[in-house]
Amino acid sequence: EAQVTQNPRYLITVTGKKLTVTCSQNMNHEYMSWYRQDPGLGLRQIYYSMNVEVTDKGDVPEGYKVSRKEKRNFPLILESPSPNQTSLYFCASSRSGANNQPQHFGDGTRLSIL
Amino acid sequence: AQTVTQSQPEMSVQEAETVTLSCTYDTSENNYYLFWYKQPPSRQMILVIRQEAYKQQNATENRFSVNFQKAAKSFSLKISDSQLGDTAMYFCAFMKQSNDYKLSFGAGTTVTVRA
Repeated sequence: EAQVTQNPRYLITVTGKKLTVTCSQNMNHEYMSWYRQDPGLGLRQIYYSMNVEVTDKGDVPEGYKVSRKEKRNFPLILESPSPNQTSLYFCASSRSGANNQPQHFGDGTRLSIL
Repeated sequence: AQTVTQSQPEMSVQEAETVTLSCTYDTSENNYYLFWYKQPPSRQMILVIRQEAYKQQNATENRFSVNFQKAAKSFSLKISDSQLGDTAMYFCAFMKQSNDYKLSFGAGTTVTVRA
């Protein structure tokens, strides 16, 4: 089954404790992206990757890091989480080459930073 | 940067009735793509319908249809014969024709279908 898998689905942690949210897709997609969803703001792009070892900032990259060492994985790293990073996070992937390709989303990760 | 505006935070509709969700966007691009995503309480993001800006014909997917007005930069979603399973938050999204595939989302409209 084609899917984007995020882990964990829920996490409560404390300020300053490094954490990683994993994202893996099994569709051999070149493009992967991270979004955060906040009430009244919709989803905003954090980082994206066009292929292995190619990453770039989205609209709200501050406080986040990513890596793309393998095509299927695109982890989101919060080196020193702060309460303003409490949010719902989504990973997405799609084929590249045509903009109207549907983006497949993971089931979301709810992060709470105390 | 593209701005997507959904002016209706919440809407309620009786089962079997029709509801229309509004979406406007601001862009200087001529070629782009528009999408409606559904997010039920399970939090999944489900693509409902998409429209290419170069196509004049409005997209339709079963009970879901859009009214795309390119000059007015408007992209409304009509849900016909509403069902209880349509209860969800709906997001309008914009993607320009470029190499970054970024989706710009509106704030969302929560739709509640009443039995």
